[in-house]
Amino acid sequence: DAGVIQSPRHEVTEMGQEVTLRCKPISGHDYLFWYRQTMMRGLELLIYFNNNVPIDDSGMPEDRFSAKMPNASFSTLKIQPSEPRDSAVYFCASSFAQGFQEQFFGPGTRLTVL
Amino acid sequence: GDSVTQMEGPVTLSEEAFLTINCTYTATGYPSLFWYVQYPGEGLQLLLKATKADDKGSNKGFEATYRKETTSFHLEKGSVQVSDSAVYFCALKGPSGGGATNKLIFGTGTLLAVQP
Repeated sequence: DAGVIQSPRHEVTEMGQEVTLRCKPISGHDYLFWYRQTMMRGLELLIYFNNNVPIDDSGMPEDRFSAKMPNASFSTLKIQPSEPRDSAVYFCASSFAQGFQEQFFGPGTRLTVL
Repeated sequence: GDSVTQMEGPVTLSEEAFLTINCTYTATGYPSLFWYVQYPGEGLQLLLKATKADDKGSNKGFEATYRKETTSFHLEKGSVQVSDSAVYFCALKGPSGGGATNKLIFGTGTLLAVQP
């Protein structure tokens, strides 16, 4: 089975541009999580969804960040406008609601904002 | 709120050395505890878990025991290999039910470098 799929794997953009990161969770998973990883701040949970509904977005740094999950197989994280301090690796993860609820992580998108 | 504290790295060991990475937690109730591993250029993957006190999680030669009395979940391996070089994250998840969230609280990660 395919794991969590993220695209693009690498993104380089200039300050002020809009950036859209994409995630396809594992089929059948009920939860989807977006994380950001930097050297300075470590791994931060930005937002997570249950059955396509945002549950907790308290980790979203500011209004420039938004996330959507229009259906069970797709989610986006958008940054508009982007800033150099947004440079990080962004991970998407998914899990079942029942049972052990192990989170499965995607390979990440490395974002560089110049 | 809930939190996880793990020892800072990097930890540099020679092959076949004994490994310990300390992890302590603060949480209400009885959380589930996890170790995730991140190999270079990859996402995190679950290494082992323990869901109640005195449980021992184990996988790939790694072990960790859920110690409620010391609120700890230290990761150990008797003989590390070069291929174990990675970043290791301790994490907790609050007990289910009662509106508890499904999110993980991660530690800051510990870089392990194993030299041949």
